[in-house]
Amino acid sequence: SQKIEQNSEALNIQEGKTATLTCNYTNYSPAYLQWYRQDPGRGPVFLLLIRENEKEKRKERLKVTFDTTLKQSLFHITASQPADSATYLCALENSGYALNFGKGTSLLVTP
Amino acid sequence: DAGVIQSPRHEVTEMGQEVTLRCKPISGHDYLFWYRQTMMRGLELLIYFNNNVPIDDSGMPEDRFSAKMPNASFSTLKIQPSEPRDSAVYFCASSAESRTPQYFGPGTRLTVL
Repeated sequence: SQKIEQNSEALNIQEGKTATLTCNYTNYSPAYLQWYRQDPGRGPVFLLLIRENEKEKRKERLKVTFDTTLKQSLFHITASQPADSATYLCALENSGYALNFGKGTSLLVTP
Repeated sequence: DAGVIQSPRHEVTEMGQEVTLRCKPISGHDYLFWYRQTMMRGLELLIYFNNNVPIDDSGMPEDRFSAKMPNASFSTLKIQPSEPRDSAVYFCASSAESRTPQYFGPGTRLTVL
């Protein structure tokens, strides 16, 4: 069966450090992968989309890598800030062009 | 643009009652998605529409759930009869095309007593 796995344990880091979140998947052949941010009580917000032929994509302090051989994506936040504290979700396209989401990893950045 | 609009934001009802959730997608978006989020199961796709036509409803848990999109600016998700296990946050999202970012509404928190 198809699975999307993200670290269930919260990631706690100190302000200014780089946060790295992992998304592993099985039984998908995704043409692209997306990352979303979700704050408590709110809907997910789109951050980045990376296609299968792209190894890396950057947006300001965010960087995403996509390794289709390892079936893994890494999401990096450099120079992290307390405002980056949230839950981060990765999402993959299913066969019908809709998205399946991982359960997310909670990030806490402390001053 | 106001973004995706959902109503109500909170709904508390008793088991057996009918519940209707409403969504207005972003104007010009051709795709509309309904999701349900719980701690146990995460964010699950229930159904999605393309140009008002239901494309994939395989995520709809039971016949008690139904969704409609009578026009490009409005969709409903109905649960009849509701059960306590339906308690969750229900999100609506829209996107301009396939394989593009989805924009989520604020969600409806449903509690079935």
